[in-house]
Amino acid sequence: KNEVEQSPQNLTAQEGEFITINCSYSVGISALHWLQQHPGGGIVSLFMLSSGKKKHGRLIATINIQEKHSSLHITASHPRDSAVYICAAYGSGNTGKLIFGQGTTLQVKP
Amino acid sequence: DSGVTQTPKHLITATGQRVTLRCSPRSGDLSVYWYQQSLDQGLQFLIQYYNGEERAKGNILERFSAQQFPDLHSELNLSSLELGDSALYFCASSPHPHQPQHFGDGTRLSIL
Repeated sequence: KNEVEQSPQNLTAQEGEFITINCSYSVGISALHWLQQHPGGGIVSLFMLSSGKKKHGRLIATINIQEKHSSLHITASHPRDSAVYICAAYGSGNTGKLIFGQGTTLQVKP
Repeated sequence: DSGVTQTPKHLITATGQRVTLRCSPRSGDLSVYWYQQSLDQGLQFLIQYYNGEERAKGNILERFSAQQFPDLHSELNLSSLELGDSALYFCASSPHPHQPQHFGDGTRLSIL
């Protein structure tokens, strides 16, 4: 079992739908990254959070440290949101080493 | 543009060869991380440097080595290459550990 698990692995949505991607982890962490990887391969950091909730545009990320769970929400989804979304946990040691989930491939259809 | 520069973007070579991948971190970032992304393994942490010193090691093969230079750029050396080393290699940087990491565009390594 992976230390960081994402669900679903694949997600297809219609434009305008509300999307939720879930991330559960079994290790003690100090913070969690949500990343977006475009079809061309580049990786963009969306959020880093250690508690509560963060919002940027149509993206919202939440984390519950006690339940070891984080969610990434996309409101009013758009075809340009199509990408792989990856959650990555910072271990509790003071290194900054990331432990990655397997990624969620999102396709938003017009 | 993340501010992290990786060169080269693509590299095609043969089994048994040796290559060097280069990473220039964002200005002011002291920490550099190397990750490997292969089709069957996903993203995996290889190694981290902080201000010139090795800070953490992950699933890095003995055939691979890295270093961070005084100007903070980093190089990842891969030797005795095997077909299974074909992957995307990403470099990321952050000011200090546990701060948001910014990723380069990656180097796509193909072993023929």
